[in-house]
Amino acid sequence: GQQVMQIPQYQHVQEGEDFTTYCNSSTTLSNIQWYKQRPGGHPVFLIQLVKSGEVKKQKRLTFQFGEAKKNSSLHITATQTTDVGTYFCAGLRGFNKFYFGSGTKLNVKP
Amino acid sequence: NAGVTQTPKFRVLKTGQSMTLLCAQDMNHEYMYWYRQDPGMGLRLIHYSVGEGTTAKGEVPDGYNVSRLKKQNFLLGLESAAPSQTSVYFCASSYRREGEARPLFFGEGSRLTVL
Repeated sequence: GQQVMQIPQYQHVQEGEDFTTYCNSSTTLSNIQWYKQRPGGHPVFLIQLVKSGEVKKQKRLTFQFGEAKKNSSLHITATQTTDVGTYFCAGLRGFNKFYFGSGTKLNVKP
Repeated sequence: NAGVTQTPKFRVLKTGQSMTLLCAQDMNHEYMYWYRQDPGMGLRLIHYSVGEGTTAKGEVPDGYNVSRLKKQNFLLGLESAAPSQTSVYFCASSYRREGEARPLFFGEGSRLTVL
């Protein structure tokens, strides 16, 4: 079954609105990564979080890793049309195996 | 610098046929992975390899075999294709480095349709 759950599945926002996607694991993760996949493209690495409670920012994107290392979130402030795509979290269990969430597809209306 | 290259990019098979997907990376990465992507399911790990000559099963290995005879290549085989294997297949690689981010570098994908 799915090791990592991600919600929501879809999100439609007006340009300028904020967006958040959440990732939850039933087991503790070594670390968590986030990827973006543009329509018709392949996943591209955004960031990795390792420490409990870690928060990282990339311009308008804020990434958080939960205290128990079982959940994470990605928040985009003031979305732009260039943010369109599907955002995936990927939890690392052990040393080698990444388990991907089902993804959140973001559509931004101009 | 090509990164991760997958061939073929598109293929249509009939049920029962066999085929091999080839993944090649030129980054000298130790780890390589095969994922399949289906609508609403995200990316599911089929098989992976931590080095030349080694392979291991992922979440959904049934119906697939893999080989890693050379460090730069990772082959995914379907011995007897089934319609349930219609999917987009992604190969990924990463380096082995403890204590640092180990991002997955993905190929552009191979779209397989089994009729």
